[in-house]
Formats: sequence, structure tokens, C-alpha cells
Amino acid sequence: KQEVTQIPAALSVPEGENLVLNCSFTDSAIYNLQWFRQDPGKGLTSLLLIQSSQREQTSGRLNASLDKSSGRSTLYIAASQPGDSATYLCAVMGSQGNLIFGKGTKLSVKP
Amino acid sequence: ETGVTQTPRHLVMGMTNKKSLKCEQHLGHNAMYWYKQSAKKPLELMFVYSLEERVENNSVPSRFSPECPNSSHLFLHLHTLQPEDSALYLCASSLHPKTGGLLKWGNTIYFGEGSWLTVV
Repeated sequence: KQEVTQIPAALSVPEGENLVLNCSFTDSAIYNLQWFRQDPGKGLTSLLLIQSSQREQTSGRLNASLDKSSGRSTLYIAASQPGDSATYLCAVMGSQGNLIFGKGTKLSVKP
Repeated sequence: ETGVTQTPRHLVMGMTNKKSLKCEQHLGHNAMYWYKQSAKKPLELMFVYSLEERVENNSVPSRFSPECPNSSHLFLHLHTLQPEDSALYLCASSLHPKTGGLLKWGNTIYFGEGSWLTVV
């Protein structure tokens, strides 16, 4: 059974710092991995999608990497801003097409 | 605004009530999902409808009953719920992986804002 773990559970950094969020999964037979952002009381917004054949994806200040063989992904956020404060969720898509989520990392960026 | 709309945003219901959650998308997607998000737990997939046919039911109690009348609308009918069913219920949509004859699981999934359910 696929399990997704995100470390750390919470992170507080000063504005301007570069930071890395970690995601690991137990079954490397995935179709893709997605990173989402969730603001308090809101739904999820897709940030980046990495296909299983890809190693990384970039969007603005965000860069996500995927090492399928080791079951790991990282989300790198450059020059963090207070507006980046949210919960970041990692999810892997398995053979049935369903997404398995981690519990998320709650990020707080202090001005 | 993701293009997936959920109503109501907040619902308080007694354990003997019957209510429904509604989800609507006009993104041209043909797969729709219900997820449950409880405090301190990962999002849990409840149901998947693909091409208007239920393709997955993740051991969800029968007090939750989904309905997908067409590819743009999805309902979650609720009856005789328990307090532990209080959670954020999220609807999502995407393109079915076999759209266009190609098996492609790489389509981005879009989520609604969610319906906060409190069972008293």
C-alpha cells in the first residue's frame, strides 16, 4: 500500500530564505507526483506536476525534483515571501489513477 | 478560482438529517472525485467517477451516497451521519486518463474550495 510522508510537518522561516520541503513515498511505481498548496479553509491549488519519466519541473520561484527510484521528491522555494505561507501537500498518482496524499508541511514565512 | 464550484461552503447538520453536497465544473473534464480532509489526517479519496461511471469506492460507509448525473455535476448525499464525519469535503475534476484513446495519467487535477461539514 502506497504511503506518502512529508517532512517537516511545520516550518517557520524569515522572509527571503530559500527552503526545501521533502516528500517520500514507499512504492516507486507511480505515474506522476504533484505538489499542491492549500490556504487555510480553502481548496487545493496545483503547483507543479512531474511525470514519472521526468526529473524536475520549475515554475517561477518553485522547483520540484523527483527521484523515483529512491521514492523522494523535494519542493524548493527560492526567496520566500509572506504570501508563500500555506500548507504544501505532496501527492503521488498510482496505477489506479487515484492520488495518495501526504499530511502536508505547514509553512510560515515571517516578514 | 479553479473552475470547480462546491456548494454549500458550510453545512451544519444533525445526525438524523439528510443533506447533499454539490459540485460543478465547466472545464470540459470527464472525471470527478470526492475527497475527505479531516484534521491531522491526509486527504482520503472517497469516490471516483470517470465518464459518469463510478470506478472507485474506497470503503466508504453507506451513509455517504454519490451521484453523477452528467460529466459536469457530482453530488454527495448525506444521511444519518456521525460526529466523526465532520470534515472538509473536497471535490475535484480532471480529464479521464483514457481521453483521446491514450492512457495518460498526467492530467492535472483541479480542486474546489471545499464544503465544511459539521455533524452535531
